[in-house]
Amino acid sequence: GIQVEQSPPDLILQEGANSTLRCNFSDSVNNLQWFHQNPWGQLINLFYIPSGTKQNGRLSATTVATERYSLLYISSSQTTDSGVYFCAASGGYNKLIFGAGTRLAVHP
Amino acid sequence: DTGVSQDPRHKITKRGQNVTFRCDPISEHNRLYWYRQTLGQGPEFLTYFQNEAQLEKSRLLSDRFSAERPKGSFSTLEIQRTEQGDSAMYLCASSNQQGAFAGNTIYFGEGSWLTVV
Repeated sequence: GIQVEQSPPDLILQEGANSTLRCNFSDSVNNLQWFHQNPWGQLINLFYIPSGTKQNGRLSATTVATERYSLLYISSSQTTDSGVYFCAASGGYNKLIFGAGTRLAVHP
Repeated sequence: DTGVSQDPRHKITKRGQNVTFRCDPISEHNRLYWYRQTLGQGPEFLTYFQNEAQLEKSRLLSDRFSAERPKGSFSTLEIQRTEQGDSAMYLCASSNQQGAFAGNTIYFGEGSWLTVV
């Protein structure tokens, strides 16, 4: 099955800094999503992005399907951005496979 | 549209007891998924349904676990003879999947935390 790897595993930022999170996947995908998991465990959809580029406020994401990676950009980070960011992908007609996540801590 | 809802949100049970979790997907979503997540890990796939048909089960889903979606709407996940290793958050998700090889956004519920003591 598809493998999903995320880097870095941990990231510590000062408020206002920018960051880039990476997701590599091992096969062609027809679904790739980025999630933010809040302290209560809720997985919040950030982007559905099997290819191309999308932006939503301070967040943007780019997936280069031919090279099998996706990037999540966080600009002007805030303490509320802290948490775990997951990339998840699926190929074919079935379930999302999750990476191990990037744990982000933003300090004031 | 109230999103994916799960019940109960928290459950503490003694080892050996049975527990059941319920998931109500987003209305008219034909796909429903169950995942399990332990501390510090990403969610792991357990099983999924297309309408009422259970199409795939992970090897993580031992014979103590059973999931149903009897009318293609809500789903239940039952764990029999619970063990301490079953302690985890159980996540339900749904999507509206149309056609083969058609990706679509998958939405997660808030999860059900299980602690086996």
